[in-house]
Amino acid sequence: DTGVSQNPRHKITKRGQNVTFRCDPISEHNRLYWYRQTLGQGPEFLTYFQNEAQLEKSRLLSDRFSAERPKGSFSTLEIQRTEQGDSAMYLCASSTGQRYQETQYFGPGTRLLVL
Amino acid sequence: SQKIEQNSEALNIQEGKTATLTCNYTNYSPAYLQWYRQDPGRGPVFLLLIRENEKEKRKERLKVTFDTTLKQSLFHITASQPADSATYLCALDTNAGKSTFGDGTTLTVKP
Repeated sequence: DTGVSQNPRHKITKRGQNVTFRCDPISEHNRLYWYRQTLGQGPEFLTYFQNEAQLEKSRLLSDRFSAERPKGSFSTLEIQRTEQGDSAMYLCASSTGQRYQETQYFGPGTRLLVL
Repeated sequence: SQKIEQNSEALNIQEGKTATLTCNYTNYSPAYLQWYRQDPGRGPVFLLLIRENEKEKRKERLKVTFDTTLKQSLFHITASQPADSATYLCALDTNAGKSTFGDGTTLTVKP
C-alpha cells in the first residue's frame, strides 16, 4: 500500500489550454473523490466514484470539467479551455466505501496555475 | 443554508498548552464528523472520526467531542508541540460518504 498518488504534482498552463490530471487510489479502495482547494479555503467537493460509476458531481462544476474512472482503478480529471479562476490545488482521495470505514485518504494534490 | 464554521482563521499558543479548535455547523445532520491535519502544500491527513452517537473520542494527545444538540465539535491537542503547527480541518458527512469541509484553523505552537 503506497497511498494515493497524483500526477503531475504541478502544472502551469496558458488560458484556453486543456489539462488532465491523474489519480491512483489505494488499491482495493472502491471510492474515489476529487476536490479543489484554493488558498485559505477547505477542500471543495467536485465529484466522486464508486468503482467506475460517477455517483455525484458538484453543481458548481462547469461543463468544462470531466472526470473518468474507466476500470474502477485510477481516475482522470480533465479541464477544458482553462481559465485563470481554475488555478487551485486539485486533490484526490480514496476510501473503502464500506460502512464504518469512511475515512478518506488524500493524495499530495496537483497544483494548477493558469496564466 | 448549510454552513460549517471553524473558529478564527489562526490560533497561536505556547508550547505545552492545550489547543482547542471549534467546528460549528448549521442545517446539517451529519452521521459523523472527521478532523484532518493539513501541512502547507500537502493533502489533508486523517486524524479522528467521531459518530453522531459518540460524545468523545481520544487518540494519544488528541481529543474530539461531538455535541449534536449544540451542532458543535471541539478538537483538543494537549501538551502541544511546535510540530503540531498546521491547519486543522473539520469535515462533515453530509451525504453517504461525501464530506463537506470547513475552511480550517491554522494553529501555531510557539516554543
